[in-house]
Amino acid sequence: ILNVEQSPQSLHVQEGDSTNFTCSFPSSNFYALHWYRWETAKSPEALFVMTLNGDEKKKGRISATLNTKEGYSYLYIKGSQPEDSATYLCARRGSNYKLTFGKGTLLTVNP
Amino acid sequence: EAGVTQFPSHSVIEKGQTVTLRCDPISGHDNLYWYRRVMGKEIKFLLHFVKESKQDESGMPNNRFLAERTGGTYSTLKVQPAELEDSGVYFCASSQLSGYEQYFGPGTRLTVT
Repeated sequence: ILNVEQSPQSLHVQEGDSTNFTCSFPSSNFYALHWYRWETAKSPEALFVMTLNGDEKKKGRISATLNTKEGYSYLYIKGSQPEDSATYLCARRGSNYKLTFGKGTLLTVNP
Repeated sequence: EAGVTQFPSHSVIEKGQTVTLRCDPISGHDNLYWYRRVMGKEIKFLLHFVKESKQDESGMPNNRFLAERTGGTYSTLKVQPAELEDSGVYFCASSQLSGYEQYFGPGTRLTVT
């Protein structure tokens, strides 16, 4: 993998459903993996920063895992709510400070 | 604590004109970054300041783009002359000197017609 890839590109779920997204990234020269939640015209909101293989982080109904050896991270949302509707972005940081982003997963939660 | 702020929020200019975008980072953050998202594509890195020095400008598209950070506080990004392909959302982010977390502003939506 040369770039950061996110799947699916978009997702529609019903309120109350649980869902998950995938982020794949180059595993070489890895420093950190960032997840952001972004609503158009607003600031991307930092959800998690993970650095160690096997890291698991949780914030309310949202959690994330990290596998640096195989180069992937999962983001889980339990019991989706309409306010969870947003684009979820992952970004990889290498030895320099710059973030390399995926295209994002657009989540729509229908009430 | 105030977040990263950007001005203007929107700008519509004609091809060939000049536009200057401004970013005010979180107070005390020495790292400042510019990123750009062109419609339908991923957010891409433009450049990175540490205080007033350019640490990495490998993402700057061409010499029509000039970024400055006088005094190590706010930063400006000037596009001169603007081309149609410069349209997109320009994000600024900041972080502490040794921090992993990058905090983003809301972006400036630039439309070149």
